[in-house]
Amino acid sequence: AQTVTQSQPEMSVQEAETVTLSCTYDTSESNYYLFWYKQPPSRQMILVIRQEAYKQQNATENRFSVNFQKAAKSFSLKISDSQLGDTAMYFCAFNEQGAQKLVFGQGTRLTINP
Amino acid sequence: DTGVSQDPRHKITKRGQNVTFRCDPISEHNRLYWYRQTLGQGPEFLTYFQNEAQLEKSRLLSDRFSAERPKGSFSTLEIQRTEQGDSAMYLCASSYPSGRVRETQYFGPGTRLLVL
Repeated sequence: AQTVTQSQPEMSVQEAETVTLSCTYDTSESNYYLFWYKQPPSRQMILVIRQEAYKQQNATENRFSVNFQKAAKSFSLKISDSQLGDTAMYFCAFNEQGAQKLVFGQGTRLTINP
Repeated sequence: DTGVSQDPRHKITKRGQNVTFRCDPISEHNRLYWYRQTLGQGPEFLTYFQNEAQLEKSRLLSDRFSAERPKGSFSTLEIQRTEQGDSAMYLCASSYPSGRVRETQYFGPGTRLLVL
């Protein structure tokens, strides 16, 4: 069974700092997709960034980038120049090619302090 | 694009009662998903529809749970004989297949259920 592990339940940084959230996953498949979702307090979940496993280049979206290490089955999220609006729960998720369901990690609660 | 909507946003019920939740996906999205999220955990997959066909169900979806999407548009999730363990946030998501690129699942705000 596929599993996703986020080993940091909570993190806290100062505004404008850089923060990295960790995620590891377990699968026997070679083709799959990885996602980071953000869930602000009392608001709905939105996609932050996604990575296709067949792509060697790490995905970037403005201040958000990933470090995808396929052999290590690691998929970390780096947030640069953090902003107060980045405060949220962050979930790492995994999706096999050909499957529709997302498998989520337990989440990391990130707080950006002014 | 009005986003995925869910109704109600909150539901309090007594153990043993039946409850029904509704999800309206983004228009033209033909895939619809239900997830359950308990406090402090990530969402867990329950079931998935493509148009009106229910194509996958999780083992989490016991026989007290039933989901429908009768016309391939909105979906309902019913829980019969609710138990305290059913207390959770029920999330709906929708997507539109985009060929080789893995499509994004867009989530609704969720329905928070509390069973007393």
